[in-house]
Amino acid sequence: AQSVTQLDSHVSVSEGTPVLLRCNYSSSYSPSLFWYVQHPNKGLQLLLKYTSAATLVKGINGFEAEFKKSETSFHLTKPSAHMSDAAEYFCVVTHNAGKSTFGDGTTLTVKP
Amino acid sequence: ETGVTQTPRHLVMGMTNKKSLKCEQHLGHNAMYWYKQSAKKPLELMFVYNFKEQTENNSVPSRFSPECPNSSHLFLHLHTLQPEDSALYLCASSQDWWTSGEREQFFGPGTRLTVL
Repeated sequence: AQSVTQLDSHVSVSEGTPVLLRCNYSSSYSPSLFWYVQHPNKGLQLLLKYTSAATLVKGINGFEAEFKKSETSFHLTKPSAHMSDAAEYFCVVTHNAGKSTFGDGTTLTVKP
Repeated sequence: ETGVTQTPRHLVMGMTNKKSLKCEQHLGHNAMYWYKQSAKKPLELMFVYNFKEQTENNSVPSRFSPECPNSSHLFLHLHTLQPEDSALYLCASSQDWWTSGEREQFFGPGTRLTVL
């Protein structure tokens, strides 16, 4: 069994300040973990993924995430928020045989 | 055209209508997925096809009927829907089902369905 919990349904930051979107997971297997972003009226786009290689993963648009097995966490960070980062973000856990479990999503608001 | 495309982008239908959603992927992938995204609910996996064979049906009501004629095309046939079926329906593809645990899914822009 696997599950994923996004700890914040909404996060609001000012432009130029750091972003932290939190994700905790549970999995009976060695998981793969993903972060996707969804802009309004668009599909989901992959930001980054962890698949048992380096624990610090760098993605597109300056985002990165660190896999911490001891804390069962995979938090998404960005040093400096941009207005275009405003969107909904989904943390996803999967294992082989393809079953993906999506978190409930975190809405990121960026204030000017 | 590249990536995953979905048509129509918006659809309004009555409860007695029959309509179909279409998804096409131009990525050479072998697995395709239908998801339902409702407001204030997590993304729900509906169906998975791998090499044209259905591998997952997540207890979806029979008023939703998928069809996968080949690895590039996926349809969702709709009939006698209910207002609570109004949602964004997303199609996705990945290289294949067996390695999809490690490989990302590529999503289309979705079809916004409203059932009156």
